[in-house]
Amino acid sequence: AQSVTQPDIHITVSEGASLELRCNYSYGATPYLFWYVQSPGQGLQLLLKYFSGDTLVQGIKGFEAEFKRSQSSFNLRKPSVHWSDAAEYFCAVVWGGYNKLIFGAGTRLAVHP
Amino acid sequence: EADIYQTPRYLVIGTGKKITLECSQTMGHDKMYWYQQDPGMELHLIHYSYGVNSTEKGDLSSESTVSRIRTEHFPLTLESARPSHTSQYLCASSDRDTGEIGELFFGEGSRLTVL
Repeated sequence: AQSVTQPDIHITVSEGASLELRCNYSYGATPYLFWYVQSPGQGLQLLLKYFSGDTLVQGIKGFEAEFKRSQSSFNLRKPSVHWSDAAEYFCAVVWGGYNKLIFGAGTRLAVHP
Repeated sequence: EADIYQTPRYLVIGTGKKITLECSQTMGHDKMYWYQQDPGMELHLIHYSYGVNSTEKGDLSSESTVSRIRTEHFPLTLESARPSHTSQYLCASSDRDTGEIGELFFGEGSRLTVL
């Protein structure tokens, strides 16, 4: 069965520091991979997605993610974090080709001034 | 900006009451979904719909039911609420014609507490 693992439940970084959020998936074939962000009291917003091609994908708000097939990973990165990036981040994979996403448990990011 | 709305945002209710969580979208999307979200846990798909009069259960069993009589409206109902139903419920939609797999637009959620 397909699954998504986000090993870090909470991460705290200082404003201006770099960020990497980890995501690993379990899937037989190359999946379609996504990162969503949920700000407090808000719904989820799509940050970026990977279907095929270039394994480094750019998203909104200065985020990028790299697909590594050998490691079954799709880690999210940002070179310099802003206080407004404090939120919960969810990695997800498509299941069954019917637009049904499987989500990881999320990583809550706190940003210190 | 996504136009998908959920009401109520917060609901506290006693055991045994019937509740309906409303979800409406103004984007004309065919596909709509309900996810259940508990703190520190994955979002779980509980219901989905590919269009009017189409509803299916998701991969997490739920005692709730849904209906899709109109494209824009996808309400979720609990006939008899129990404390185990306490959770956040997220509604989402997508447009099947875009081919944009996985690009869901989410509402802000309905947080349900059953006492």
